[in-house]
Amino acid sequence: DQQVKQNSPSLSVQEGRISILNCDYTNSMFDYFLWYKKYPAEGPTFLISISSIKDKNEDGRFTVFLNKSAKHLSLHIVPSQPGDSAVYFCAASAHGQNFVFGPGTRLSVLP
Amino acid sequence: NAGVTQTPKFRVLKTGQSMTLLCAQDMNHEYMYWYRQDPGMGLRLIHYSVGEGTTAKGEVPDGYNVSRLKKQNFLLGLESAAPSQTSVYFCASSYQGYSSEQYFGPGTRLTVT
Repeated sequence: DQQVKQNSPSLSVQEGRISILNCDYTNSMFDYFLWYKKYPAEGPTFLISISSIKDKNEDGRFTVFLNKSAKHLSLHIVPSQPGDSAVYFCAASAHGQNFVFGPGTRLSVLP
Repeated sequence: NAGVTQTPKFRVLKTGQSMTLLCAQDMNHEYMYWYRQDPGMGLRLIHYSVGEGTTAKGEVPDGYNVSRLKKQNFLLGLESAAPSQTSVYFCASSYQGYSSEQYFGPGTRLTVT
């Protein structure tokens, strides 16, 4: 049973608009979360993180929101750019444990 | 800095053959990891290491062995390859474990026929 779920396998957004990628988790012990971006034929690269003591973290065009009661986090990209087209993975960890990754969402930003 | 490198990039094996995947990092990281990625699934942890000379099992360790003889290298071995091990393999490293971002290599695409 997947502990980290990304229920949308793919998402298409128009350039300049907002992209919202969602991630749900089942383990209430998870308290640290990461988002990674992956281009074809490359390894994932770190994008942004959030600790459970926060409900929002922002870095430029990227903002991650955490709703602990709903066990849900989301990544907002504003404005979306064609170069943002990639697969996005969320990952979660409980203190002292290894990260568990979601299956990924493929984002396509259309010019 | 090269970051995390993986050798080879592609490999085709016949069932029953063996091979070793090499991962090297030049960031002086203590932690290193081997993952596999299959379609529709996230990255699944095979084995990891918290320092030179240490290894530990991850989520899907069966059929794989690892060694970390030097801090900068982490080797993943398949003793007798099976078609179920067809996958893309990623190595990663991090400065520390929990709450530390991981740096990934470019991946090795392995096909077992």
